[in-house]
Amino acid sequence: EAQVTQNPRYLITVTGKKLTVTCSQNMNHEYMSWYRQDPGLGLRQIYYSMNVEVTDKGDVPEGYKVSRKEKRNFPLILESPSPNQTSLYFCASRSSYNSPLHFGNGTRLTVT
Amino acid sequence: LAKTTQPISMDSYEGQEVNITCSHNNIATNDYITWYQQFPSQGPRFIIQGYKTKVTNEVASLFIPADRKSSTLSLPRVSLSDTAVYYCLVGDIWTGANNLFFGTGTRLTVIP
Repeated sequence: EAQVTQNPRYLITVTGKKLTVTCSQNMNHEYMSWYRQDPGLGLRQIYYSMNVEVTDKGDVPEGYKVSRKEKRNFPLILESPSPNQTSLYFCASRSSYNSPLHFGNGTRLTVT
Repeated sequence: LAKTTQPISMDSYEGQEVNITCSHNNIATNDYITWYQQFPSQGPRFIIQGYKTKVTNEVASLFIPADRKSSTLSLPRVSLSDTAVYYCLVGDIWTGANNLFFGTGTRLTVIP
């Protein structure tokens, strides 16, 4: 089944403890991206990647890192999480410039 | 980057046709228009996409006037399961719409 898989689905951590949220797609898509969703703010893009080793900042990249060493994986790294990064995170991918985005089921992160 | 404006919320009774309008006054020549649906605790799901005039699929219709400064998503005979948030996006078909703007969407509530 074609899908975007994020792990974990839920994560509670403490301020400053490095964490990684994984994202994997099995559709051989070149484009992948990360979003965060907060009440009243909608979905905001954090980072995106056009292909392996090609990444760029979205609207809200501060406090986040990404890497794209393989086509299928696009992990989101929080080196030193803070409470304002408590949010619902979505990974997405698409095959070409005018094809629809496929989203994962989200990761709900709480930073205390 | 063309941004969009949508109503925050709408209510409709079951069985009625629902039209959600999106304003995108700064849409560029290369931009296309895409609508997504999101249920609670799930990632957005693609509904329909168009560039001009009218597009119809098994789920919805998309109406785009000649000036393309707005678009209308039409959902025929909604049911309770259509209760969701609907997002209108505009993106550049040539450069890949790297930074799609989701906004806060329109929360549709279908009433029995």
